This record gives sequence, C-alpha cells and structure tokens, in this order.
Amino acid sequence: DQQVKQNSPSLSVQEGRISILNCDYTNSMFDYFLWYKKYPAEGPTFLISISSIKDKNEDGRFTVFLNKSAKHLSLHIVPSQPGDSAVYFCAASAGYGGATNKLIFGTGTLLAVQP
Amino acid sequence: DAGVIQSPRHEVTEMGQEVTLRCKPISGHDYLFWYRQTMMRGLELLIYFNNNVPIDDSGMPEDRFSAKMPNASFSTLKIQPSEPRDSAVYFCASGLGGTLSYEQYFGPGTRLTVT
Repeated sequence: DQQVKQNSPSLSVQEGRISILNCDYTNSMFDYFLWYKKYPAEGPTFLISISSIKDKNEDGRFTVFLNKSAKHLSLHIVPSQPGDSAVYFCAASAGYGGATNKLIFGTGTLLAVQP
Repeated sequence: DAGVIQSPRHEVTEMGQEVTLRCKPISGHDYLFWYRQTMMRGLELLIYFNNNVPIDDSGMPEDRFSAKMPNASFSTLKIQPSEPRDSAVYFCASGLGGTLSYEQYFGPGTRLTVT
C-alpha cells in the first residue's frame, strides 16, 4: 500500500504564476516531511522540509504547508520559473524508534512551467 | 566533495544474467540507502545501512536481490538472476545521523534495462 500519495502525475503552470503540488499520507506516525526535486538523468535533491510540530515552512519562493488533521501537505512555488520544471517527490518519515533516516516517497509530480 | 558516485550509469543485460551496481557514498556519511524508481511505484527504499551494517532490508523485493557494504566508502547491489521486471533506475543515497538525519544526498542513478 502507498503510504505517501501524489495523485497528480503532472502539472502545467505559466511562468510567474503559483505552482501548487499536493501530497497525502496515511500513516499518522509520520512526523517529518520533505520535498525533493529531480531533473532528468540526475538524482533527487532536497528542496524543503517541515516538522509535524509546524504547519508552515518557507524558504524563498518555496513554502510547504502541513495539515495534520487532513494528513495533507502541499508545496507552493511563487513565482514559478521555467527552471522549476522537474519531478517533485514528497517524502515522509516516522522516526521509527531512532531509525529516523527511513523515508517513504510518493510517486512524484512532473511540473512543467511554460515561458 | 564529488557527491555520491554510482556506476555504471547505464546497464543493459539479458534476462538471467547477474547485475552488480556500485555506489560510493559521500565521505563522512554513516547512512547509505538503495532505492529503485519506477513509474508505478515512484521511489522505493530497498535497503539501508548504518555504519556499514544493514538496518532494514524489508524493501528488497526477492532473494534475487542482495546488497553489501564491506566498508564505509563502498556498497554494491546485486541482482542474480536478473529479470525484465527489474528494469528501473536504481539510486544510491547517503546521509548523516543526528539532527540532519532526514536529508539524504542522491547519486545520479543507474538505469538498468533487462531484455
């Protein structure tokens, strides 16, 4: 079963507008969430994260929102730029009794920012 | 630092052959992860090591898959015998323990094609 779900395989946005990528999870034990970005022929790179004790974390053009009651998080990119075109993965960790490094990833969303 | 190094970048082999994927983690990182990326399942964690010791191999799909980490600077993922359904991109990632334990650094991946 998929504990971390990204239900939109792709998203197309105009340059300068807001991109909103969504992620849902099922495991209430998850206590830390991350977003990774992946360009073709490269490995994923860390983008931004949020702890379950917060509901928002901002880093420049990127903001992650967490709604624990809905088990939902989203990544907002404002303004979107063509260089943001990539696959975005949502990931979660439950801090499994000290083995905090285990991440569960979603299937990814392909973002295309049109010039 | 050169980052996580993986070899080969591409591997094409025939069904039934043995395949060995290699990984050199970032120096000083004490966690090493092997992932497989497919369209259907996204990024799946196969196995991870802490200080060269396998911690969780619950993601290894079958006995045909095995992984070793003989020292802190080298790991292998072996598939024997390989099957067409093993075709995917395999990523190696490394990370630090402690408060930065959630962030993982990925290699460029090995694209495996089994015909």
